Amino acid sequence: GAGVSQSPSNKVTEKGKDVELRCDPISGHTALYWYRQRLGQGLEFLIYFQGNSAPDKSGLPSDRFSAERTGESVSTLTIQRTQQEDSAVYLCASSRSGRAFGEQYFGPGTRLTVT
Amino acid sequence: DAKTTQPPSMDCAEGRAANLPCNHSTISGNEYVYWYRQIHSQGPQYIIHGLKNNETNEMASLIITEDRKSSTLILPHATLRDTAVYYCIVRVNSGGSNYKLTFGKGTLLTVNP
Repeated sequence: GAGVSQSPSNKVTEKGKDVELRCDPISGHTALYWYRQRLGQGLEFLIYFQGNSAPDKSGLPSDRFSAERTGESVSTLTIQRTQQEDSAVYLCASSRSGRAFGEQYFGPGTRLTVT
Repeated sequence: DAKTTQPPSMDCAEGRAANLPCNHSTISGNEYVYWYRQIHSQGPQYIIHGLKNNETNEMASLIITEDRKSSTLILPHATLRDTAVYYCIVRVNSGGSNYKLTFGKGTLLTVNP
């Protein structure tokens, strides 16, 4: 079946511009997660959605970062006034339920480069 | 979550078994051992997880020592496509904020032809 998809796959933007990253989770997965991975580093948790609610936004690095999820499906991560340190691969994952841990299925990521 | 220790890199010949070790000496009774891998330029991929008993699925086998202080992921017949960074993660299976995956440095497995 279809896996997690993300778009765009690559995004180059100028410092100060806003960007939107999209995630389409696996159908029926109620939990959705955003992570960031800087070059050569591990995953950095950003935000967790259960349905359309975000019970944990603790990983968002600043108020320039926001995310929403609609229809218990698509999620959008928005970065306003991008900075060079925002350059990273942004990964989205989904799982059947967030309350009881299950394996997380990851998308291919969006590589963001801020020039 | 308990800390894990993995070798930074390993090599394996194509067609041979790849045995990836992980030490988790501070693991507690309700923590599971999970393995993920990340192939270059792709998102992480779940492989397998276990608590006490050895586990096997279509991808790999997981051998957990009786004292649970270490485990080994076994890829029985490694292929070139198995070249990836393999992450061993110890975590509680439910409740709290266990959904946050915390990856360490992992082991870079290189499968050679």
